[in-house]
Amino acid sequence: DGGITQSPKYLFRKEGQNVTLSCEQNLNHDAMYWYRQDPGQGLRLIYYSQIVNDFQKGDIAEGYSVSREKKESFPLTVTSAQKNPTAFYLCASRLGGYQPQHFGDGTRLSIL
Amino acid sequence: ILNVEQSPQSLHVQEGDSTNFTCSFPSSNFYALHWYRWETAKSPEALFVMTLNGDEKKKGRISATLNTKEGYSYLYIKGSQPEDSATYLCAFLYGNNRLAFGKGNQVVVIP
Repeated sequence: DGGITQSPKYLFRKEGQNVTLSCEQNLNHDAMYWYRQDPGQGLRLIYYSQIVNDFQKGDIAEGYSVSREKKESFPLTVTSAQKNPTAFYLCASRLGGYQPQHFGDGTRLSIL
Repeated sequence: ILNVEQSPQSLHVQEGDSTNFTCSFPSSNFYALHWYRWETAKSPEALFVMTLNGDEKKKGRISATLNTKEGYSYLYIKGSQPEDSATYLCAFLYGNNRLAFGKGNQVVVIP
């Protein structure tokens, strides 16, 4: 079955530590996205990529970094510069045009 | 940052009743509007992709309309059932393949 796989489901970060969230898709979609959800807020865009080896900042990119070395993979690193990283992170992909996004199951990140 | 507003933020509906809620978005440079359903412990799933002014889409008991000139879309649930309990997200598709999401309409159907 085609889909998006995010791992891990739960992640704990110590102060000053970088952590990387994995996102893999086998839908052959060109575009991939990372969102953050906080209580009472909508999905906010962190980074997105429309093609391999290219990505753009979203609305809340500070303290995050990404890479897109393969079409299937779009990992998100939460750096120590992100002062409030506790949130639910969703990865999505999209074919393009008018097509809707397909989402992974999310990763919940907490600070120890 | 584009502003997409959804109202009401949450609502409780008696089983069998019908309900509707609103998504407001910028009326200029319209490209497409998406509706997603997000059930607890699952990932969001696409319900509708709406592109033309006056569009009406239907999926079972759920339907949606679109008015791009005034910048709003309505989602209707007819004869609500417990399995309709979810958060319904609308998202405005704009330049560079980006979507701006509203905060969602959280629906709880009471048996």
